[in-house]
Amino acid sequence: DAGVTQSPTHLIKTRGQQVTLRCSPISGHKSVSWYQQVLGQGPQFIFQYYEKEERGRGNFPDRFSARQFPNYSSELNVNALLLGDSALYLCASSLTLDRVARAEAFFGQGTRLTVV
Amino acid sequence: EDQVTQSPEALRLQEGESSSLNCSYTVSGLRGLFWYRQDPGKGPEFLFTLYSAGEEKEKERLKATLTKKESFLHITAPKPEDSATYLCAVNENTDKLIFGTGTRLQVFP
Repeated sequence: DAGVTQSPTHLIKTRGQQVTLRCSPISGHKSVSWYQQVLGQGPQFIFQYYEKEERGRGNFPDRFSARQFPNYSSELNVNALLLGDSALYLCASSLTLDRVARAEAFFGQGTRLTVV
Repeated sequence: EDQVTQSPEALRLQEGESSSLNCSYTVSGLRGLFWYRQDPGKGPEFLFTLYSAGEEKEKERLKATLTKKESFLHITAPKPEDSATYLCAVNENTDKLIFGTGTRLQVFP
């Protein structure tokens, strides 16, 4: 069975540019979350989507946005890139919302974004 | 503010030398505590979920335990392939996972 897949695996962008990262959840999973992991730190929560609706937002600026499609895949968009946006961006999928029923989150391999 | 603290930051073990990693947390209402393994440049790999104090789970050389304020990940007779960063995360009444900064484990032959 395919796990969580993310694309691209690596990306280099220039300051001020915009970037779109993509995520396909595990088949049957309806919840997708996005995390940012800076080197040497634990992942930080950015967004959660469930059934195409935003269900949670972390402490990130409005330059960060996301959406979920009818097939439950998701995109994370970051505008006006800053050097500090360089990080590993992780997508996690879970069967449902944990507040509804216990549901573990499974992570993809991540997209390594470098802003120069 | 909700916090997750992991210790030690780094741990070097000889192959076969058992040890424990600690995860302490302060959340108003714990719903679940999660352990993940992360290899360099990769996404976290799910290991365990613990939901209530006193719960224990095992997988090969790993055993996770939970009390009301902390969790331990016990590694018995580790092998070099157990070398990785081990992340602990909690959630309360939301679906947001709050992660610690991890413990970097190195096991030498």
